[in-house]
Amino acid sequence: AQSVAQPEDQVNVAEGNPLTVKCTYSVSGNPYLFWYVQYPNRGLQFLLKYITGDNLVKGSYGFEAEFNKSQTSFHLKKPSALVSDSALYFCAVTAAGGYNKLIFGAGTRLAVHP
Amino acid sequence: DAGVIQSPRHEVTEMGQEVTLRCKPISGHNSLFWYRQTMMRGLELLIYFNNNVPIDDSGMPEDRFSAKMPNASFSTLKIQPSEPRDSAVYFCASSQTGGLGGETQYFGPGTRLLVL
Repeated sequence: AQSVAQPEDQVNVAEGNPLTVKCTYSVSGNPYLFWYVQYPNRGLQFLLKYITGDNLVKGSYGFEAEFNKSQTSFHLKKPSALVSDSALYFCAVTAAGGYNKLIFGAGTRLAVHP
Repeated sequence: DAGVIQSPRHEVTEMGQEVTLRCKPISGHNSLFWYRQTMMRGLELLIYFNNNVPIDDSGMPEDRFSAKMPNASFSTLKIQPSEPRDSAVYFCASSQTGGLGGETQYFGPGTRLLVL
């Protein structure tokens, strides 16, 4: 069965510092991995995804994520955090070969302090 | 592009009443997904349509829930009768084909449902 773990309920970081939001996954076969962001009272917005190819994926708003197959991880990173990055972040996975059924992690709340 | 449109944005109803949530996917998208978000259970897929046909409804909680997609531009999620435990945010999402994994799903703004 597919699953996603986001081990941190909340991540706190100071503005201007680098941020990392962690995600590990379990899937049979090759994974397709996604990051979404949710602002208060809004829907989920797509940030980036890994399908194949380069392990470092660049996405919207300066975010990037690194796919690590041996560690089954797909951590979200940004070199310099902004207060406006404060939101709820979701990692999701689906398996190659199946239909596009996303399994979401529980979410990590990112708080960027001025 | 208008994105995925959902209505209503907020719904407050009393236990036992029928609730109908509506979704218009992005034009040209052939797959539509209904999700439910709660604090306790996170984001759960309820049902997935491809080319207006329900493909996977294993996430539908019980017979009180039903979903239809009469055409490519409209879907409904109905709860009858509603119960307080149905209180949640319901999201609709669409993707271009949905037949294979890896496609980006685009989410609507959600309907916040409160059942008293």
